[in-house]
Amino acid sequence: DTGVSQDPRHKITKRGQNVTFRCDPISEHNRLYWYRQTLGQGPEFLTYFQNEAQLEKSRLLSDRFSAERPKGSFSTLEIQRTEQGDSAMYLCASSESGTKYNEQFFGPGTRLTVL
Amino acid sequence: DQQVKQNSPSLSVQEGRISILNCDYTNSMFDYFLWYKKYPAEGPTFLISISSIKDKNEDGRFTVFLNKSAKHLSLHIVPSQPGDSAVYFCAATTDSWGKLQFGAGTQVVVTP
Repeated sequence: DTGVSQDPRHKITKRGQNVTFRCDPISEHNRLYWYRQTLGQGPEFLTYFQNEAQLEKSRLLSDRFSAERPKGSFSTLEIQRTEQGDSAMYLCASSESGTKYNEQFFGPGTRLTVL
Repeated sequence: DQQVKQNSPSLSVQEGRISILNCDYTNSMFDYFLWYKKYPAEGPTFLISISSIKDKNEDGRFTVFLNKSAKHLSLHIVPSQPGDSAVYFCAATTDSWGKLQFGAGTQVVVTP
């Protein structure tokens, strides 16, 4: 296993279009996180899955955002009716559960540009 | 609200010298702190962590110090190497499942 992978790496879209990103976590990890990073800022938490259950969504996540992890493996993040303010790097991370604090392994991110 | 703050956006240090990165936090409920390193076009990579029950943790050239009364932590890199040039993020968590809150990052440049 080579780590967390994300697809696509870059996405350019026009305002109003829908986009979907995919994250494949490390295979034995049952925790999966989505973060968003804008220029000059650190990553901001968006949502978290434990297996297939979505356990928390940030207030940052508007109704246009939806995330799924249907079989507790890969996850998708969809943004509907994109806006220019959605332009950012979208990062996925995964970790093992079992102990309280586990290192989160990050993927390379998907850079979204909304024109 | 920004609960984790890195007030120095950049740091330049000579190769072989010590790099000291600082981080302040406002939430007294944070009980675990982490440092991540990020190269361009890559995701953040875990570097070192510290629990709130400790005040120091070392791993090779990296040492993290925690001062709970001041709500301050620092990362020391000794000696600094050119490969250490990257953006360093401080992060903290209080959640049992580890949702991280990050600072804005410090860009470190190690010069020969």
